[in-house]
Amino acid sequence: KQEVTQIPAALSVPEGENLVLNCSFTDSAIYNLQWFRQDPGKGLTSLLLIQSSQREQTSGRLNASLDKSSGRSTLYIAASQPGDSATYLCAVNTGFQKLVFGTGTRLLVSP
Amino acid sequence: GAVVSQHPSRVICKSGTSVKIECRSLDFQATTMFWYRQFPKQSLMLMATSNEGSKATYEQGVEKDKFLINHASLTLSTLTVTSAHPEDSSFYICSAGQGAYGGSTDTQYFGPGTRLTVL
Repeated sequence: KQEVTQIPAALSVPEGENLVLNCSFTDSAIYNLQWFRQDPGKGLTSLLLIQSSQREQTSGRLNASLDKSSGRSTLYIAASQPGDSATYLCAVNTGFQKLVFGTGTRLLVSP
Repeated sequence: GAVVSQHPSRVICKSGTSVKIECRSLDFQATTMFWYRQFPKQSLMLMATSNEGSKATYEQGVEKDKFLINHASLTLSTLTVTSAHPEDSSFYICSAGQGAYGGSTDTQYFGPGTRLTVL
């Protein structure tokens, strides 16, 4: 059974810092991995999707990497801003578009 | 971009009543829709997968007679929580995939969620 874990569970940083969120999964047989952002009481916003054949994806200040063989992905956020405060979820696609979500990292960026 | 809506966004009901939640893909046809449940400070757990015109597939531990799913068209799926109890209180989120069933690399688009509170 696929299990997805995210470290740290919570992170508090001052504005401007670069930070790394970690995601690990137990079964490397995935189709893709996706990073989402969730604001309190809200739905999900897709940030980046990395196909299993890719190593990384970039969007603005965000960069996500994928090492499928070791079961790891990282989300790098450059020059963090208070507006980045949210919960970040990673999810792996195990086939037929079924997503298994990680436990999430709650990020707080203070001004 | 692809938009998925949910209605209602928030519902409060009495124990023992049934509640229906709608999930619509607004600008694309969704062959497959998914229903997730999220308890406070926990991650999303997949409840079931629904394909247009066929019966939903439920994940292990999810009662299919309690959580009725109907996917009658390519743009609408409904989740009915029957005989709701306080332990069913949760945040329910749907998602819709654009690809054909088995299109594993396609993106899912998520609805804004429905907060269900059962008194």
